[in-house]
Amino acid sequence: QISLKESGPALVKPAQTLTLTCTFSGFSLTNTGMGVAWIRQPPGKALEWLALIYWDDDKHYSPSLESRLTITKDTSKNQVVLTMTDMHPVDTATYYCAHPLHTIDGDGGGFDFWGQGTLVTVTS
Amino acid sequence: AIQMTQSPSSLSASVGDRVTITCRASQDVRNEVGWYQQKPGRAPKLLIYAASTLQTGVPSRFSGSGSGTDFTFTISSLQPEDFATYYCLQDTNFPITFGGGTKVDLK
Repeated sequence: QISLKESGPALVKPAQTLTLTCTFSGFSLTNTGMGVAWIRQPPGKALEWLALIYWDDDKHYSPSLESRLTITKDTSKNQVVLTMTDMHPVDTATYYCAHPLHTIDGDGGGFDFWGQGTLVTVTS
Repeated sequence: AIQMTQSPSSLSASVGDRVTITCRASQDVRNEVGWYQQKPGRAPKLLIYAASTLQTGVPSRFSGSGSGTDFTFTISSLQPEDFATYYCLQDTNFPITFGGGTKVDLK
């Protein structure tokens, strides 16, 4: 069974860099088709996709945040790390990592397994 | 980026009601649409993928339809545990985008 769990600081000061780690089990990022994504949700607001990394190190970022984001993987540790520079109070959100749906038919529709989320508050 | 315009943003319904939510994509997303349920303090849960395929373990009262730009999500008979917020998503192109959400609450 696939599971994911986010870890990182609960509080970050403005202008600091946020580093979040997603530790997962039940799949490997060395296997074809596998990936891990990051999604966030400000309090009371909608979901926002941030970044995704695939088994072959192909990476995709939200255009509005691309200059501030870096996603990397450590296959030996089954971890994916997201860094976001120059944090602002508007970046206060619950950050989720998620497993992209992967079917034989290549069906779309997003993410079938999610972590529990970690709330990051940006405040001085 | 492809915009997913979801409506309504909220609705009030009673147990047993039929509930319909729509998402319109700003361009053709084929059938690469998913529908999610989110309860307060919880991660989203995938209900429907490929526009109309029920995720394993999801009750059959949930259904989805559509292709191209217009998509519909239906709960055939609303149950007490279905009061939640629902989101659509497209992943035919990057960036992946979500709809704005529909909050379903008790009338």
